[in-house]
Amino acid sequence: GAVVSQHPSWVICKSGTSVKIECRSLDFQATTMFWYRQFPKQSLMLMATSNEGSKATYEQGVEKDKFLINHASLTLSTLTVTSAHPEDSSFYICSARSTGGFTGELFFGEGSRLTVL
Amino acid sequence: AQKITQTQPGMFVQEKEAVTLDCTYDTSDPSYGLFWYKQPSSGEMIFLIYQGSYDQQNATEGRYSLNFQKARKSANLVISASQLGDSAMYFCAIEAGGFKTIFGAGTRLFVKA
Repeated sequence: GAVVSQHPSWVICKSGTSVKIECRSLDFQATTMFWYRQFPKQSLMLMATSNEGSKATYEQGVEKDKFLINHASLTLSTLTVTSAHPEDSSFYICSARSTGGFTGELFFGEGSRLTVL
Repeated sequence: AQKITQTQPGMFVQEKEAVTLDCTYDTSDPSYGLFWYKQPSSGEMIFLIYQGSYDQQNATEGRYSLNFQKARKSANLVISASQLGDSAMYFCAIEAGGFKTIFGAGTRLFVKA
């Protein structure tokens, strides 16, 4: 199946700093990628839909200035948590679909665990 | 808007027995897809099975089958012959209109030896 890679897997940062998480589709082109956030023992919450070459579409309640998403190419989307605070600590997962519409599978990255001290 | 409901926070099953994980959904879109994913403690999301709203037959993938009852808006996952490695979180998800995938709260499955 298609491969989506996320980096870094783990990141610890100080409060007030910014952190960038990369999501790459390794063997296919992804015009759309999705960013999810998952708190411990909870479900995945869709944060935003990342569209190649255009602005991301954010879900209600997600601060677009806090969580900057850039989808500069068909294989790379980045999520930047700006001025991170301890409450931003979470598991962030990206996903992508290799074709438009339903294909039967959403390919996920390995996830990035962010801890803000 | 789409909604997925998983009412079982946790389930226990004896090794080698079958288990059913419940999932109900709500959407106004006539065309949608239903998914089940497994998330072990490592955090990765593993795709298990997919059911399209227009599929006439229930989806099956190895030991996984999806009991799709469209009129009841339910898409239960059946795992046959449970294995210890099946212990994990299981998420039901729906994709409809706008191609966003929304996940349910999840069910944690414990397989007992």
